[in-house]
Formats: sequence, structure tokens, C-alpha cells
Amino acid sequence: EPEVTQTPSHQVTQMGQEVILRCVPISNHLYFYWYRQILGQKVEFLVSFYNNEISEKSEIFDDQFSVERPDGSNFTLKIRSTKLEDSAMYFCASDSGLDTGELFFGEGSRLTVL
Amino acid sequence: DAKTTQPPSMDCAEGRAANLPCNHSTISGNEYVYWYRQIHSQGPQYIIHGLKNNETNEMASLIITEDRKSSTLILPHATLRDTAVYYCIVSAKSGGSYIPTFGRGTSLIVHP
Repeated sequence: EPEVTQTPSHQVTQMGQEVILRCVPISNHLYFYWYRQILGQKVEFLVSFYNNEISEKSEIFDDQFSVERPDGSNFTLKIRSTKLEDSAMYFCASDSGLDTGELFFGEGSRLTVL
Repeated sequence: DAKTTQPPSMDCAEGRAANLPCNHSTISGNEYVYWYRQIHSQGPQYIIHGLKNNETNEMASLIITEDRKSSTLILPHATLRDTAVYYCIVSAKSGGSYIPTFGRGTSLIVHP
């Protein structure tokens, strides 16, 4: 069964460092998303991406964040200068756009900022 | 601005049906009801969705009231692996997709 894969599974970084989280969405999917979940809290929407541009973003997705689909297969989330409060699980998701109603989520990347 | 209300927790005996309720009294005519679940800290998993009619798939059944103000997700024969947080989400589609907004959900514990 096709799946969304994310790397790394866990990253530890120092405050102020740049972090790139990578996702390989399901092939032929058209819509891509990043969510995050701080430990013990809700799954929060960050950004959606379609047709090579951001389609929607939340208040959380400020100038410290950026997304890119550099090569037609990877979908990356970059955090320019990490803060302690960026520590969370980051989930990537993709949708075929075929009106199935199903977003496929990856297993997540755990980011720990020290 | 929660669009849905779910009980924070429920439990169910293994092999029995788990019926998870959701209230969405302010649902609009073009909004669908989606259900996802999250097992431990894994990524959310889509279960089922519907607009007006009841729906069934290999995982679950979705019963939507006639006025669409509430719905029930039914896991017909719950197993221990169904222990998870279940999210009821109301959302309209934009183009070919939508953006699920997750609340606190219902923590379902299936016990032996």
C-alpha cells in the first residue's frame, strides 16, 4: 500500500539552528500538508501546498517556516531558526485530489530543540 | 471555534461495538463529516467521511442524523488495536481537497 514517508524520524537540534524536515508524499498526489503536534496537545495545521505554491497557512506558519517541493517528489519543511517551542511531532500528509476524502499522513518527525 | 463536540473519553469491551458520538449542530450544507483516528503518537489515519447518507467501509460505519447536526462512528467489533484518539471533523471541500482541523477528539480504550 502506498504511504507517505518522513525523514528524519527524530532530530535533536540546538536553539537557533536551521532544520529541514523531509517528506515523500504518495506518487501522483496533488495536495500536500504539514501539521504539528506539541506533546499532549492537538494536531495543528501549519500549511497546505498545491500546484507548487502555498494554498493556505495558519498563524503558526510565520516567517520562520518555509516549504518547498524541490524535485517533484520531496516536500520539505524548513524552520530557519528553531526555538524551544518548536519542539513537536511534525506530520506530513498528501491527498490525491480525487475527492476520496482521505488525507494520508506520514508517521511523523519528532523535533527536539534544546 | 470548535465545530464539533465529542466526549473526551470512552471505553469498550473487545469484540463489542464501539459507538462514538459527535455533535456538529452548526454544520453548513456544503460541509462533510470526516473521522480520523490517531494511535498513540502515530500520524492520523483516515477512517470514513459522509455528507448526508450513512456510509460504511471496511473499517467502520458512519451514521449521520437526518438534520445533520450529529453523527456516530461505529466500530462494529472493536479490537485492542482500535484503542486510539478518534477525531470528528467538519469541513467543506475546496477544489479537490480540504483542510482537516483536529480538536481534542475522543480517547477510546478497548479493554479485554
